[in-house]
Amino acid sequence: DIQMTQSPSSLSASVGDRVTITCQARQDISNFLNWYQQKPGKAPKLLIYDASNLETGVPSRFSGSGSGTDFSFTISSLQPEDIATYYCQQYDNLFLTFGPGTKVDI
Amino acid sequence: EVQLLQPGAEVKKPGESLKISCKSSGYDFTTYWIAWVRQMPGKGLEWMGIIYPGDSDVRYGPSFQGLVTISADKSINTAYLQWRSLKSSDTAIYFCARRGVGSGRLDYWGQGTLVTVSS
Repeated sequence: DIQMTQSPSSLSASVGDRVTITCQARQDISNFLNWYQQKPGKAPKLLIYDASNLETGVPSRFSGSGSGTDFSFTISSLQPEDIATYYCQQYDNLFLTFGPGTKVDI
Repeated sequence: EVQLLQPGAEVKKPGESLKISCKSSGYDFTTYWIAWVRQMPGKGLEWMGIIYPGDSDVRYGPSFQGLVTISADKSINTAYLQWRSLKSSDTAIYFCARRGVGSGRLDYWGQGTLVTVSS
């Protein structure tokens, strides 16, 4: 299976800050990369799919970019409600792998 | 409205069997893959496997092959995750999620079932 790494594992930022998380795949995965947000005690929520597409209803301060092995996820202006853990996830046909997660707090 | 409904919690003893459910509504159950994802206490997300309810085609993640069974009953729009003999290390939250068409994204999630295995 395709291994994923994320950095940093955690970060602390202020309201209004620009926050960037990176995700790296062990092999070329084209743009087959999604991003999720998980708040404590809740199910994950899809934010970005296929590396850069914003899921319907997700605020535009969230964005994603990248292809091949290197990807990034950005919150352009951090809001209090963005406190959560963020996961990248690759898909190789039907097989999925999640990154280890990045915990974001204020 | 798409919904995936899971029971909130199950408590079992080591060695017991368990089958948890994920009931779908609001879409054609037979034309979307359903994935299962494990989250152990304080840990990240792990993909366990996926099923296509239309023909019950199943794929398992390497870490879960042989340890669990994924199935579906399309007559009642429900997917299942099953264990024959639970261990304490199976204690976790288990999520089901719908895989979007033509993509590997998991676009709708159940609220998760907390499985506690303790003597």
